[in-house]
Amino acid sequence: GAGVSQSPSNKVTEKGKDVELRCDPISGHTALYWYRQSLGQGLEFLIYFQGNSAPDKSGLPSDRFSAERTGGSVSTLTIQRTQQEDSAVYLCASSLQALNTEAFFGQGTRLTVV
Amino acid sequence: SQQGEEDPQALSIQEGENATMNCSYKTSINNLQWYRQNSGRGLVHLILIRSNEREKHSGRLRVTLDTSKKSSSLLITASRAADTASYFCATDAIRGGADGLTFGKGTHLIIQP
Repeated sequence: GAGVSQSPSNKVTEKGKDVELRCDPISGHTALYWYRQSLGQGLEFLIYFQGNSAPDKSGLPSDRFSAERTGGSVSTLTIQRTQQEDSAVYLCASSLQALNTEAFFGQGTRLTVV
Repeated sequence: SQQGEEDPQALSIQEGENATMNCSYKTSINNLQWYRQNSGRGLVHLILIRSNEREKHSGRLRVTLDTSKKSSSLLITASRAADTASYFCATDAIRGGADGLTFGKGTHLIIQP
């Protein structure tokens, strides 16, 4: 595709349910990032993939959060047993390589836990 | 952890004036980037300045980088109403990007018509 695609664009879920967020990066981009942004706040780094591997998972807020990337392309971020504090916009970005290149962002998934 | 910190947190100026935003960071970097965000959704890349560069221009944007002070500034000249947005600086860790691009909390810029 022409840009980074995220789905769904909006998700409302009940507390305790699991949710899966999807990111389809730009073709050929080896680096993929997940961020979380609460209302009016900056971007909180969650996880970074280089190819299929994630060198640093320390940004994930708790063990309810997990992410994978298969085939060096699509990535999914899974949140188990969602809590109200998980409500935020989840942003995905990809870049051609890890260093010294700009990141291209998707439009995000707005997650609301009720 | 927060690497970049922008200031001011909010800035309101008249259309036509220049807007200056600053960013400070803590660790050694490969490069520093500035992004713009409209309406709390996807960010758009504005400019990238490498650690061995001191100044860079792109259209009405001017970015400076002072690695000795670990700071950068973004200047928008002749501001327009369409420049109203949040602006973020982002840095990557010198040890190879394993932390990903780390963003500050942003400066919310309002251009008054």
